[in-house]
Amino acid sequence: AQSVTQLGSHVSVSEGALVLLRCNYSSSVPPYLFWYVQYPNQGLQLLLKYTSAATLVKGINGFEAEFKKSETSFHLTKPSAHMSDAAEYFCAVTGGGNKLTFGTGTQLKVEL
Amino acid sequence: DTGVSQDPRHKITKRGQNVTFRCDPISEHNRLYWYRQTLGQGPEFLTYFQNEAQLEKSRLLSDRFSAERPKGSFSTLEIQRTEQGDSAMYLCASSKAGQQETQYFGPGTRLLVL
Repeated sequence: AQSVTQLGSHVSVSEGALVLLRCNYSSSVPPYLFWYVQYPNQGLQLLLKYTSAATLVKGINGFEAEFKKSETSFHLTKPSAHMSDAAEYFCAVTGGGNKLTFGTGTQLKVEL
Repeated sequence: DTGVSQDPRHKITKRGQNVTFRCDPISEHNRLYWYRQTLGQGPEFLTYFQNEAQLEKSRLLSDRFSAERPKGSFSTLEIQRTEQGDSAMYLCASSKAGQQETQYFGPGTRLLVL
């Protein structure tokens, strides 16, 4: 079985500041991990994924995430926030390439 | 590639009515998934198909819900005798052989049951 915990349902940063969104996972098998972004009233867009290759994964729009097995974490970062980054972010895990199990999401607010 | 498409994008219905949603996956993607997302929550898995075979159904998928993918291409999700608790965003995703773990999502169908 798999599960995901996203710490912080709301995160607020200033434009240009570091973005850090936290995700911890639990999985009984080697996991595949994902970050998706959702804008209001839209579907989910894949930001990046970890599939057992490099532990530091780079995605779209300047985001990256690091898989840390010892900490069971897959935190999402971006060095410099932009207003267009304001959205809801979901971490997800799958064990066997079937269903995704999602966290409850983190709403990112970017302030001037 | 053309992305995953869903129709309709919005549906308002009265309690007790039946509704049907359609999902067209990315061309040549053999797996198709349905998820439900309620306000303030992450998506929850409902069911998935590999080609035309429905391989897994969640306990969330009550007897009032039925999904089909008759020719292994598009899929439909029908909800019979809708209830107010069915109000949610219904998301469809697809993935391809060789990268089954990577799912691409459509824009969703937002259902409101009055």
